[in-house]
Amino acid sequence: AQSVTQPDIHITVSEGASLELRCNYSYGATPYLFWYVQSPGQGLQLLLKYFSGDTLVQGIKGFEAEFKRSQSSFNLRKPSVHWSDAAEYFCAVGVTSGGSYIPTFGRGTSLIVHP
Amino acid sequence: KAGVTQTPRYLIKTRGQQVTLSCSPISGHRSVSWYQQTPGQGLQFLFEYFSETQRNKGNFPGRFSGRQFSNSRSEMNVSTLELGDSALYLCASSSGGGGGNQPQHFGDGTRLSIL
Repeated sequence: AQSVTQPDIHITVSEGASLELRCNYSYGATPYLFWYVQSPGQGLQLLLKYFSGDTLVQGIKGFEAEFKRSQSSFNLRKPSVHWSDAAEYFCAVGVTSGGSYIPTFGRGTSLIVHP
Repeated sequence: KAGVTQTPRYLIKTRGQQVTLSCSPISGHRSVSWYQQTPGQGLQFLFEYFSETQRNKGNFPGRFSGRQFSNSRSEMNVSTLELGDSALYLCASSSGGGGGNQPQHFGDGTRLSIL
């Protein structure tokens, strides 16, 4: 079965600093990979996705992520964090098995932004 | 295009009662998935419906059930409520088709509190 690990429960950065959120997955083949963001009291919003091709993918709100097959990682990055980026971030894996779509989410990383 | 709509936003119930939550997916989306989100367990997959059929199910007891109507709207029912059922219940829709490359679009959730 596939799994997703987000090793950092909390990350604190200063506004304007760069950001990297880590995500590692476990799956026998190349999965479909996603990053979502959740603001307090709201549902999850898709930031970006990786299916195949270029391993560096661009998303909304200035985020990007890089797929590294050798490390089974899909880390999320942003060059300059804004206070409004404070939220919970979830990495997810999408796997098709026997015709069914099986989504697996990481436990999330809470981003705290200091002014 | 309207997003995923979940009703009600908040619910308070007592142990032993039952509850029904509703989800209206994005127009044209045929897949609806339900998740339970708690601080302790994170985001856990409940089940997915596609074209009125349950296509996949997570590891939850039979007290949790769902259905999907011909217009793709979905309901989730929880019977004999327990304190541990207090959670944010999220609904997500996608175009479906069974591929793991389908990003999901989430509603804002229903906050269920059990007294």
